[in-house]
Amino acid sequence: AQKITQTQPGMFVQEKEAVTLDCTYDTSDPSYGLFWYKQPSSGEMIFLIYQGSYDQQNATEGRYSLNFQKARKSANLVISASQLGDSAMYFCAMREGNTNAGKSTFGDGTTLTVKP
Amino acid sequence: GAGVSQSPSNKVTEKGKDVELRCDPISGHTALYWYRQSLGQGLEFLIYFQGNSAPDKSGLPSDRFSAERTGGSVSTLTIQRTQQEDSAVYLCASSQAGSLSYEQYFGPGTRLTVT
Repeated sequence: AQKITQTQPGMFVQEKEAVTLDCTYDTSDPSYGLFWYKQPSSGEMIFLIYQGSYDQQNATEGRYSLNFQKARKSANLVISASQLGDSAMYFCAMREGNTNAGKSTFGDGTTLTVKP
Repeated sequence: GAGVSQSPSNKVTEKGKDVELRCDPISGHTALYWYRQSLGQGLEFLIYFQGNSAPDKSGLPSDRFSAERTGGSVSTLTIQRTQQEDSAVYLCASSQAGSLSYEQYFGPGTRLTVT
């Protein structure tokens, strides 16, 4: 069963508007971490934001925030005030387990296009 | 500081040949990962090294794939008798260990084309 689901293959947003990229996950482990990465057309993977399963507050990093709804098992990424440079593929990922870093499971990604 | 480096950046090989892909992780990072990304797709986990522990090889697609990590640093991913379906970008990442919150730092990838 797929553990990370990103249901939006492609999204469009007008420059300066906010956009939400959806991510749902599935795990039976009570301890896990959720990550979002950005992959521009150049190919590098850029870390954006992290949310821990025990974190009480939603994570924020500049224009990025993570809308964490634990009961619904969703971890949507919100990008505020979109910029042309935000056009890229965005991946949601999950790492399960306790304190040791382990493999991450990635979703299929969402391609975001910011229109001027 | 130096990030994760991978070599070669591009590799074209004939079907049936063996290839070796190299990854130099960030100094001090004890965790190292290999992923494969086919065109327009998400990342597929291949293998994970953590310190001196036995690697997690659960993602290797066949016994033609193997990887090693020497001295807890540099890693080599070897694909024997390459097939056309092996064509993809192979990404290496490293991270600190000890906390779930440590993100993975990715290298630029090696684009493998099997003709």
